[in-house]
Amino acid sequence: EAQVTQNPRYLITVTGKKLTVTCSQNMNHEYMSWYRQDPGLGLRQIYYSMNVEVTDKGDVPEGYKVSRKEKRNFPLILESPSPNQTSLYFCASKTRDRGIGLEKLFFGSGTQLSVL
Amino acid sequence: QQQVKQSPQSLIVQKGGISIINCAYENTAFDYFPWYQQFPGKGPALLIAIRPDVSEKKEGRFTISFNKSAKQFSLHIMDSQPGDSATYFCAARGYYGGSQGNLIFGKGTKLSVKP
Repeated sequence: EAQVTQNPRYLITVTGKKLTVTCSQNMNHEYMSWYRQDPGLGLRQIYYSMNVEVTDKGDVPEGYKVSRKEKRNFPLILESPSPNQTSLYFCASKTRDRGIGLEKLFFGSGTQLSVL
Repeated sequence: QQQVKQSPQSLIVQKGGISIINCAYENTAFDYFPWYQQFPGKGPALLIAIRPDVSEKKEGRFTISFNKSAKQFSLHIMDSQPGDSATYFCAARGYYGGSQGNLIFGKGTKLSVKP
């Protein structure tokens, strides 16, 4: 089954304790991205990757790191989490649209992070 | 301008009624306009999408109306059902500057369809 898998589903941590949220896709997609979803603010992009070893900042990258060493994996790293990073996080992937068809972004099921 | 403005923030509709959600954008470099549907506890999923050379696209009970001159697009859900209760996000994609074709999402509309 084509899917984007995120782990963990729920995470409670304390300020300053480094954490990693994993993301893996089995569709051989080149493009992967991380979003955070907050009430009233919608989906905001944190980082994205156009391909292996290529990453770039989205709209809200402060306090986050990513890496793309393999095509299927795109972990999100919070080196020193703070309470304002409490949010619902989504990983997503898609093929790069060559300008012909309509593209589809596949989302994971989300990770609810609470930073105390 | 990279914003996509979505309204209303929440919407309550009776079963069988028409749900209408509106979005507006400013950047004429956007070339693709999808709508995503999100159920509680799930990630968003593509519902329907349109390119700006088309004024309307219909898939079942869901229709996108696109007004290029006004830079607006809307989602219409005909014969709304309780199972349509979800959060809906409009989005726009642009290959301008360094955006690399990322989607910019509206803030979402929480739809509740009452039986």
